[in-house]
Amino acid sequence: DTGVSQNPRHKITKRGQNVTFRCDPISEHNRLYWYRQTLGQGPEFLTYFQNEAQLEKSRLLSDRFSAERPKGSFSTLEIQRTEQGDSAMYLCASSSAPGQGKETQYFGPGTRLLVL
Amino acid sequence: GENVEQHPSTLSVQEGDSAVIKCTYSDSASNYFPWYKQELGKRPQLIIDIRSNVGEKKDQRIAVTLNKTAKHFSLHITETQPEDSAVYFCAASLYNFNKFYFGSGTKLNVKP
Repeated sequence: DTGVSQNPRHKITKRGQNVTFRCDPISEHNRLYWYRQTLGQGPEFLTYFQNEAQLEKSRLLSDRFSAERPKGSFSTLEIQRTEQGDSAMYLCASSSAPGQGKETQYFGPGTRLLVL
Repeated sequence: GENVEQHPSTLSVQEGDSAVIKCTYSDSASNYFPWYKQELGKRPQLIIDIRSNVGEKKDQRIAVTLNKTAKHFSLHITETQPEDSAVYFCAASLYNFNKFYFGSGTKLNVKP
């Protein structure tokens, strides 16, 4: 499968614990996005990487959230001291440099987080 | 920041009828507008997109129209089929594609 992959697919944790999710984008894509989606809502932008540089971060993202893309390939999203309100689907998407239709984002299957 | 509103939240049509979903955006600098289809339990998938230098784009039974002056864009599905049933999301992005703002989604139900 050469699409975007995410691991784990499901995560159940207790409030206060830290969790880390991984996203592996399509190999030739240099752009990577993280979104959060709650039931009945559209994806909410969290952060964006171009290669290894984190160029955008949502103001809605608290200090408990951090993301990295150390070598410009896979990315990790960490949530520290999880709260019940963090329960959601976390989606990753990747794309090429814009132009000639390459701005299309391809989404991964998501990681569903449940905080008890 | 950008604000994208989408209507209606649910839409039920008879197979063969047309369906129209509308979105408005607030930032006049937005210039790229994709539409995604998300089936239950699956990832969003791009179905059509439009840039601000184009007023309309068509791909078989799907079309998107854009009115830059009014800051709204619409998805049109003709000859709907039961397999069109899904949640559809509109989105808007600025010229640098660094951020995408999504609407809240429209659940389309096509009745056979």
